[in-house]
Amino acid sequence: NAGVTQTPKFQVLKTGQSMTLQCAQDMNHEYMSWYRQDPGMGLRLIHYSVGAGITDQGEVPNGYNVSRSTTEDFPLRLLSAAPSQTSVYFCASRQLGTGAFNSPLHFGNGTRLTVT
Amino acid sequence: GQSLEQPSEVTAVEGAIVQINCTYQTSGFYGLSWYQQHDGGAPTFLSYNGLDGLEETGRFSSFLSRSDSYGYLLLQELQMKDSASYFCAVRNYGQNFVFGPGTRLSVLP
Repeated sequence: NAGVTQTPKFQVLKTGQSMTLQCAQDMNHEYMSWYRQDPGMGLRLIHYSVGAGITDQGEVPNGYNVSRSTTEDFPLRLLSAAPSQTSVYFCASRQLGTGAFNSPLHFGNGTRLTVT
Repeated sequence: GQSLEQPSEVTAVEGAIVQINCTYQTSGFYGLSWYQQHDGGAPTFLSYNGLDGLEETGRFSSFLSRSDSYGYLLLQELQMKDSASYFCAVRNYGQNFVFGPGTRLSVLP
């Protein structure tokens, strides 16, 4: 099983450029989310989705867009990259529904983004 | 608001026992989870406590006291491979998790 797959693994952008971080999962999980991880700050939620066609903002959504057209895919778009968006980005998914009350998050391997 | 507190670093020797504490303040609470992350890797799930008490999984145990908004992760018979960062996380009344800042555990030979 592939689990949660993120691409690319590394990316360098110049200020003002845009790009899309890809995330796909093959576990049929309804819930998908994006986190950013910065030193000493843990994981902070950017956006999340509880199913195809449904997205919502997390703790730090500014500068990012998401869409969820299928259950499997949850891309994260940086509209105009800024140095403050230099971070490690993780996509995570989990099962929802009855019997999945305490289902854990499954993380991808991360995308390391540098904005110069 | 929601916040979690953990020690930033803990150091112990191989074979020892170490406890990593977590205190939390959240607007809702559906349980406390623990995740492990090795350098350069992805967080991976270790344990979950929905009710007060101790949960044991091999060398790892996790404890929760909801009345004290407090939990801990206990690692026994430490091994070098346990050197990693450990995060506590609270699931609030939605589907989302709020993570603590992480505790970096260094295991010395």
